[in-house]
Amino acid sequence: EAQVTQNPRYLITVTGKKLTVTCSQNMNHEYMSWYRQDPGLGLRQIYYSMNVEVTDKGDVPEGYKVSRKEKRNFPLILESPSPNQTSLYFCASRPGHRYEQYFGPGTRLTVT
Amino acid sequence: TQLLEQSPQFLSIQEGENLTVYCNSSSVFSSLQWYRQEPGEGPVLLVTVVTGGEVKKLKRLTFQFGDARKDSSLHITAAQPGDTGLYLCAGANSQGAQKLVFGQGTRLTINP
Repeated sequence: EAQVTQNPRYLITVTGKKLTVTCSQNMNHEYMSWYRQDPGLGLRQIYYSMNVEVTDKGDVPEGYKVSRKEKRNFPLILESPSPNQTSLYFCASRPGHRYEQYFGPGTRLTVT
Repeated sequence: TQLLEQSPQFLSIQEGENLTVYCNSSSVFSSLQWYRQEPGEGPVLLVTVVTGGEVKKLKRLTFQFGDARKDSSLHITAAQPGDTGLYLCAGANSQGAQKLVFGQGTRLTINP
């Protein structure tokens, strides 16, 4: 089944404790992206990647890092999480030549 | 930063009624997408419009891209309870939709 998977789905952590949210897609898509979704603000793009080893900042990159060492994986790293990073996070992917993005199921992160 | 304003943010109507959701911006977009999101899931693409004035139909849903490519609308005819969900518009500011700007979303509830 073609899909985007994220792990973990739920995470509660404390301020300053480094964490990684994994994202993997099995569709051989070139493009991958991370978003956060907050009430009243919609989805905001954090980082995106056009292909392996090619990443760029979205609209809200502060406090986040990403890497794209393999085509299928695009992990989101929070080196020192803070409470304002409490949010619902989505990973998405799409073929390089098409508009349609496929979203993962989301990761709900709470930082206390 | 480009912004997309969706209205209304909340809409609750009876089954069988018609409704329109608007997505407006002062910026020009190269393409605009509409997504629908169910609770606990990621957004799913409904349609992409690319050409100014373009109209696309998906069963009872009609999508229109404004002539100036700054706005879009989603019209649902004879709404059904299964149409309930969060509707999101997203604009791409370049070819290939590397960066997507999302509206805040319209939470639609169709009452039986």
